[in-house]
Amino acid sequence: QVQLVQSGAEVKKPGSSVKVSCKASGGSFSTYAISWVRQAPGQGLEWMGGIIPIFGSPSYAQKFQGRVTVTTDKSMTTVFLELSSLRSEDTAVYFCLRGATTHYGPFDIWGQGTRVTISS
Amino acid sequence: EIVLTQSPGTLSLSPGERATLSCRASQSVSSSYLAWYQQKPGQAPRLLIYETSSRASGIPDRFSGSGSATDFTLTISRLEPEDFAVYYCQQYGSSPGTFGQGTKLEI
Repeated sequence: QVQLVQSGAEVKKPGSSVKVSCKASGGSFSTYAISWVRQAPGQGLEWMGGIIPIFGSPSYAQKFQGRVTVTTDKSMTTVFLELSSLRSEDTAVYFCLRGATTHYGPFDIWGQGTRVTISS
Repeated sequence: EIVLTQSPGTLSLSPGERATLSCRASQSVSSSYLAWYQQKPGQAPRLLIYETSSRASGIPDRFSGSGSATDFTLTISRLEPEDFAVYYCQQYGSSPGTFGQGTKLEI
């Protein structure tokens, strides 16, 4: 059974960038869509973008266009989320997920989450 | 984008009772691509139901989903203590996939 293992917590300053990784453990996800969803403290879930590693072309939510980049490494075992021009509202837990049908879901495997804190 | 509105915001019930959670979409959900997730404090959400009514792997049959077009329901037939959590609906038929704001099921 594939597991998604994310990188550790980050603390960043406003205006900087953060890059979070998501590695497949126990299998491959190269033919599945891997997406990123975030959850601000006490809030709901928000889809940010995704990629199918074998195809390489990412898809982004309009809200994050120009600020978010989703990429994969050459081995197609790790997917990255980079978010730039960080502001306080980006403080959230960021989850990577496997989309069983499309980029947008349903999400049957979730990473453990990476807490990103934006603070001056 | 499709806006999903869940009701009620909070549902207070007791173990053994039946829970009915509602999810209404601002426009028709394509191909019945509607999912439900359960989230407990400090944990990632877990997929319960996909394509409106199909149970995900390992999900007990006390969880069931129904509905079509813009109105969807998650029913938990007989609540167990471990079912008290926050539940989210999500549509994944059109871009971007959107989530409801959640229903908190409390004892």
